[in-house]
Amino acid sequence: DAKTTQPPSMDCAEGRAANLPCNHSTISGNEYVYWYRQIHSQGPQYIIHGLKNNETNEMASLIITEDRKSSTLILPHATLRDTAVYYCIVSPGFQKLVFGTGTRLLVSP
Amino acid sequence: ETGVTQTPRHLVMGMTNKKSLKCEQHLGHNAMYWYKQSAKKPLELMFVYNFKEQTENNSVPSRFSPECPNSSHLFLHLHTLQPEDSALYLCASSPSLAGGVSSSYNEQFFGPGTRLTVL
Repeated sequence: DAKTTQPPSMDCAEGRAANLPCNHSTISGNEYVYWYRQIHSQGPQYIIHGLKNNETNEMASLIITEDRKSSTLILPHATLRDTAVYYCIVSPGFQKLVFGTGTRLLVSP
Repeated sequence: ETGVTQTPRHLVMGMTNKKSLKCEQHLGHNAMYWYKQSAKKPLELMFVYNFKEQTENNSVPSRFSPECPNSSHLFLHLHTLQPEDSALYLCASSPSLAGGVSSSYNEQFFGPGTRLTVL
């Protein structure tokens, strides 16, 4: 699997957009970008994934650069309940996920 | 609720005990996974089952013994564990690893985990 690089921690004010970056400069053409998050003491939760195009769902938006070497997860209006560790993972759709250390997002009032 | 349940939620056991962790999914998935998460470490994949067949054993010690009797149930049998095995054990499921390039195979649904303490 391709490696990803994420900042260890980020802060965000409640109600503001949280933009979480991820670098994956060695991503292969058949690899997707997946985002998961893990709220303290819970199991990870799938958020979104994409291949080339930008994606949006009810939880977040995923912006992938044209060269696919980096991406940004956007939580448009962060709430206190979005405080979690966010994992960016690249993988072909049929292989195991390899979780790194992620970004610890702290949303404050 | 993710559709994946795990029991027990907490377990304390001695090194000579034998216990089992149970996972059940109600999502119609055919792939199931065991992960281990030790304190301040990334999740580690332990085992993968696809259509009840084990497809991945990530060099897990034999004191951990998985069992998958059907696509909805997954067990992790524990015996003669060590204190360093204390961790959060997570179960997950996903659509089958049937090959192809469907990205949904990696949309894994996780259970809440079993917090295991080995004394």
